[in-house]
Parts: sequence; structure tokens; C-alpha cells
Amino acid sequence: EVQLVQSGAEVKKPGESLRISCKSSGYRFTDYWISWVRQMPGKGLEWMGRIDPSDSYTTYSPSFQGHVIISADKSINTAYLQWNSLKASDTAMYYCARHCASSTCYIFDYWGQGTLVTVSS
Amino acid sequence: DIHMTQSPSSLSASVGDRVTITCQASQDIGKYLNWYQQKLGKAPKLLIYDASNSETGVPSRFSGRGSGTDFTFTISSPQPEDSATYYCQQYDNLPLTFGGGTKVEIK
Repeated sequence: EVQLVQSGAEVKKPGESLRISCKSSGYRFTDYWISWVRQMPGKGLEWMGRIDPSDSYTTYSPSFQGHVIISADKSINTAYLQWNSLKASDTAMYYCARHCASSTCYIFDYWGQGTLVTVSS
Repeated sequence: DIHMTQSPSSLSASVGDRVTITCQASQDIGKYLNWYQQKLGKAPKLLIYDASNSETGVPSRFSGRGSGTDFTFTISSPQPEDSATYYCQQYDNLPLTFGGGTKVEIK
């Protein structure tokens, strides 16, 4: 059974750093890419970027480039989303999602349960 | 960026009524269009990919059609459990973009 299990909710202060995780199981981790999707409170879905776990090659949305870092550790089937300096506007639910390993196949067939990040002073 | 315009933003329908949601792309995206269902407090779930293909296990009352810039998503005979927000998503060009969502209430 394919599963993407994300780390738990976080409460942070502005300026702090954070890394959240997405652990995959039930399939070969390096055969699929992982994307991260943001959902701000009461709002829609925004694609942040993706990683190819086989070589850690990343592509970011311009809206998020330079503000977050996507990484992966294929030895433990886990993808990460990291901030070096959080802002209050980063308060949101963050989802990881799997899609096939092709630049013409961004079909998110499995999703993590989401990680709620709250940034408040 | 490709802008995806979904309409309506919300609707209410009765059990068994036909529900149709439209999604318009700001440029031609071929058939690179997916539909997701998101229930309150849950992660999105893939229903339709490549405009008209049903994901495995999705009830046949859900369907999609279209190509180019104009797409429709239909629930042929909605049930109470179909109450959710529905999103379209294009993947013809990066960055991937989603429609604004349609909140559907089935009474």
C-alpha cells in the first residue's frame, strides 16, 4: 500500500528555521517525484516545487524560489521542505504529493496527510 | 503563468441533481488537466487525470471532458458524501497552477 506520512504540526516564531518531512512507503521511492503544495488558511492549492529523489534535482515555482528548500534522502525514502527564516505569511497547511517521474506527468496520485505550520510571535 | 479560472466558486445541489463545474485555462493546455476532490480537513484526492480519464476506484458518476482551454467536470448523480471542494490543475507548463476551487454542497 502506497503511503506518504508527513511529520506533525509545528508552531514557530518569525525568523526561526524549520524542516518538515514526508516519508514514503509501498513503492520504489526513486521511481516517482515528490512535489510540495501549500494551502493557506481557507484558501486554494499552490504548487511550490518538486524533487526527483533519484538525483535530488529540484524545480521550484518562482513564487517560492529562494524562500524554501526541497530535499530528499533516498536512503530513508523521505522528502523534506525547509525554511531558514520563517515569516508569519508561511502559516499554512503543507502537503507532499507523489507523481510519476516525468516532466510531462504532474498527476498527483497519492498525497500526504498534511503538516500544519503556524508562525506567530 | 497559466491562470486557471474555475466556476462557479460554490454551488448547492440536491441528491441526484447533475452538477457541472467549468475550468478555463488562460492558454491552450491540451489535455494536461486534472481534477481533485478535497473534503474538509483532508488532503486532496485525484479523481480525473488528463482531462477525461478516471483514476482507479473513482465512482463512475464523476467524469471530465474538454481540451485546449475549456474543461468541464460533472457529477452525474451526486450523493451527500460528494460534498467537498473540487480543484482543477494544469500541468502543461510550469509552474503548475490550480483553479480557485468550487465548494459543492449536496443536500
